[in-house]
Amino acid sequence: QKEVEQNSGPLSVPEGAIASLNCTYSDRGSQSFFWYRQYSGKSPELIMSIYSNGDKEDGRFTAQLNKASQYVSLLIRDSQPSDSATYLCAVISSGSARQLTFGSGTQLTVLP
Amino acid sequence: DAGITQSPRHKVTETGTPVTLRCHQTENHRYMYWYRQDPGHGLRLIHYSYGVKDTDKGEVSDGYSVSRSKTEDFLLTLESATSSQTSVYFCALREDRSGNTIYFGEGSWLTVV
Repeated sequence: QKEVEQNSGPLSVPEGAIASLNCTYSDRGSQSFFWYRQYSGKSPELIMSIYSNGDKEDGRFTAQLNKASQYVSLLIRDSQPSDSATYLCAVISSGSARQLTFGSGTQLTVLP
Repeated sequence: DAGITQSPRHKVTETGTPVTLRCHQTENHRYMYWYRQDPGHGLRLIHYSYGVKDTDKGEVSDGYSVSRSKTEDFLLTLESATSSQTSVYFCALREDRSGNTIYFGEGSWLTVV
């Protein structure tokens, strides 16, 4: 069983809409959760980290964590064409504290 | 910017030849990682290091070796390159000041023909 699962997409939303990206993880003891954005041909770029249940907001981005459901999501408000990228969910599991395990990524396209 | 430099950025090599990719950091962070990224597989951990001469295997370590003789350099070696090792290789480090935050280098595109 893959440790971190994401909808592969592609996901398309119109400009100005809210984009919702979802991720589930298998290790209930996981403590640290991250969202990375990756443009085509570029390296992953950290956009959000979240460690406790609830919401964390940073500008147009909101990360949501529900440890009971083993679910983490990323909301992008007022989506812009420049947000078009692949979004990677990553988790540091309890049994591998030095390692970051990634989902396969969700490709987001924001249509002008 | 966590000060990570990868070299070479692009390389084409022949099957059976050895290849070494270098990752260099400027800020003396302990933890460094090598990932490969392939379509449909996302980012997969090859090897990681938690200090000078301290390394361990990741999910896809077969066919790869690493060395870390200095804090600032983490080398990934393909002893005898195969076509299945054609990939994009990313070095990453964990920034000590911010705890678990991991930053990536710009990537090395390797083609084995």
